[in-house]
Amino acid sequence: AQSVTQLDSHVSVSEGTPVLLRCNYSSSYSPSLFWYVQHPNKGLQLLLKYTSAATLVKGINGFEAEFKKSETSFHLTKPSAHMSDAAEYFCVVSDRGSGTYKYIFGTGTRLKVLA
Amino acid sequence: GAGVSQSPRYKVAKRGQDVALRCDPISGHVSLFWYQQALGQGPEFLTYFQNEAQLDKSGLPSDRFFAERPEGSVSTLKIQRTQQEDSAVYLCASSLTGTGPTDTQYFGPGTRLTVL
Repeated sequence: AQSVTQLDSHVSVSEGTPVLLRCNYSSSYSPSLFWYVQHPNKGLQLLLKYTSAATLVKGINGFEAEFKKSETSFHLTKPSAHMSDAAEYFCVVSDRGSGTYKYIFGTGTRLKVLA
Repeated sequence: GAGVSQSPRYKVAKRGQDVALRCDPISGHVSLFWYQQALGQGPEFLTYFQNEAQLDKSGLPSDRFFAERPEGSVSTLKIQRTQQEDSAVYLCASSLTGTGPTDTQYFGPGTRLTVL
């Protein structure tokens, strides 16, 4: 079965400093991985997804993630944090179910951005 | 364009009451998913529809949970005889096909259910 582990439940950074949110995956085959962001009282929004076309994936709002098979990791980074980045971030792997690919979510990382 | 919508946004129920949660997916999306998100946790898969067919209900926690999508568009998640442990945010997502590993799911804002 597929799974993801988010290594930090909370991360605090100062505005303008780099962001690193860590995610490790477990998969018996080449995984499809996603990062979603959840702002309070809003739906989950896709930041980026890994489709095996390139190991470095660029997403929206300046976020990017690098797929590292040797480390089974898919960490999310951003060079400079903005106040608006404060939210909950979920690493996701898709897992084959009955007739579909359902999402398996990590437990989430809450990002706090300090002024 | 319009995204996935859910109603009500908030629902308070007394223990033992039945509730119905509605999801309007993006028009033309074949696949529809329901997830349950407990406080402080990541969402967990409940069930999946391809058009009107419920192909996977492996995540439904008990036979008190029932979902339907009779015309292949709007879906309703029904919980009978609610219990306190049912308190959670219920998320609906839709996908254009849902049959590929890299297919994107688009999420609604969720319904927060509180059972007293």
